Amino acid sequence: AQKITQTQPGMFVQEKEAVTLDCTYDTSDPSYGLFWYKQPSSGEMIFLIYQGSYDQQNATEGRYSLNFQKARKSANLVISASQLGDSAMYFCAMRGSGGYQKVTFGTGTKLQVIP
Amino acid sequence: DTGVSQDPRHKITKRGQNVTFRCDPISEHNRLYWYRQTLGQGPEFLTYFQNEAQLEKSRLLSDRFSAERPKGSFSTLEIQRTEQGDSAMYLCAVPSTGGWQETQYFGPGTRLLVL
Repeated sequence: AQKITQTQPGMFVQEKEAVTLDCTYDTSDPSYGLFWYKQPSSGEMIFLIYQGSYDQQNATEGRYSLNFQKARKSANLVISASQLGDSAMYFCAMRGSGGYQKVTFGTGTKLQVIP
Repeated sequence: DTGVSQDPRHKITKRGQNVTFRCDPISEHNRLYWYRQTLGQGPEFLTYFQNEAQLEKSRLLSDRFSAERPKGSFSTLEIQRTEQGDSAMYLCAVPSTGGWQETQYFGPGTRLLVL
């Protein structure tokens, strides 16, 4: 079984500052993938970034980076230079090597960017 | 644009009525997933299709729920005798590409409200 834990229900960040959203995971799969999605108030799930369990380097996508610490089973999302449009729900998720590749999500963190 | 459309975007129905949602991937995908997202939670896996075959169903999918993918392209999700607890966002997803770095791209979802 896979489990994702996001302990921050809500976060505030000042515009142009960096923010870290926490995510820990638990799985018995030797191989897995970790994701972050953004969900604005409109409801769509927007894929942000992916990290494979065997990737040696932390993933980066523009202003998003994933701080992957395998031994601690954490996969924190770092957003640099926050923008007002970053205000949204953020979900950490994972996919194991089995189970038809379905994705397990955490409960999310609501990020609000303050002007 | 994730290449997945869902219809309708919103549905309000009375308890006991039947509803049907549709998911249309723009391009061909042999795999298709349905998820349900209730208020304040992350999406939860409902069911999975490999072409026309429904290969996995979550225990969340009671016998009032039925999903089909008749030609291996679009998919429908029907809920019979709706209950207030069925109120949620229903999301359809398809994989990005094959291989281990595969992600899932989600449609805009159908918001269901059962009165």
